[in-house]
Amino acid sequence: QKEVEQNSGPLSVPEGAIASLNCTYSDRGSQSFFWYRQYSGKSPELIMSIYSNGDKEDGRFTAQLNKASQYVSLLIRDSQPSDSATYLCAVNREAGNNRKLIWGLGTSLAVNP
Amino acid sequence: GAVVSQHPSRVICKSGTSVKIECRSLDFQATTMFWYRQFPKQSLMLMATSNEGSKATYEQGVEKDKFLINHASLTLSTLTVTSAHPEDSSFYICSAEGFGAGEDEKLFFGSGTQLSVL
Repeated sequence: QKEVEQNSGPLSVPEGAIASLNCTYSDRGSQSFFWYRQYSGKSPELIMSIYSNGDKEDGRFTAQLNKASQYVSLLIRDSQPSDSATYLCAVNREAGNNRKLIWGLGTSLAVNP
Repeated sequence: GAVVSQHPSRVICKSGTSVKIECRSLDFQATTMFWYRQFPKQSLMLMATSNEGSKATYEQGVEKDKFLINHASLTLSTLTVTSAHPEDSSFYICSAEGFGAGEDEKLFFGSGTQLSVL
C-alpha cells in the first residue's frame, strides 16, 4: 500500500462545475495535510493546508479532512480552465521544523470550456 | 510571499559531466532546504534534506557521492550531479523553509531545473 494514494485521473469536468479530488494516507500519526497544484514543467504551489478534522474554505477551494477514515479531499467550486493542472496531495508525518512531506502521485484535472 | 530562486531552469549536458544547481532564498533565512527529483508523470521524490552548516541527510537509495549537496549559508544550497548519465535526466526542485518566511507550515519551492543528459 502506498503511503499517500490518489486517483491519477484524468478527472474531466465542465467549466463552472465542482471538481472533487481525493487522497488517502496510511500513517495514522500524520499531522499535517497539504494540497499543491502543479502545472506541467513547473514547481508545485500550495493551494491549501489543513490540520484538524472538518472543512477549511479558501475562496473557491475547500479542503476536507477525516482522520478517522484517513482521507483528505479538495473541492474546487466554479472550476475554470485555468484550474487544469495536476493536484498533489502531501502529508507530513512528523511534527516540528524539520519536516518531511510524503507526496501522492497527483490527480490530473482537466476543466473543459 | 517568500521567494526561492533556483538556477539554471534548464540544462543540457554530455554524459560524464557534472552539473551544479543553485537554490537561493531571497528574502528569508532558509535553515532547512529540501531537494526533490521528479520524473515525467511521477510525483516528487525527496532526495535529501540539508540544514545550514551540517551534512545533508540523504533518503534511502540516493547516492550521496553522486548528488553532492552543500548548504553553506542560510540563503544558499547547491546540488551537484556528478558524472551525470542519461538516467539522471529529470526535473530537480528545491524547497526551503525557515525563520522569517512569514507563514507557518509552508514550504517555498524553487522554479525547478530540467536536466537533460545526452
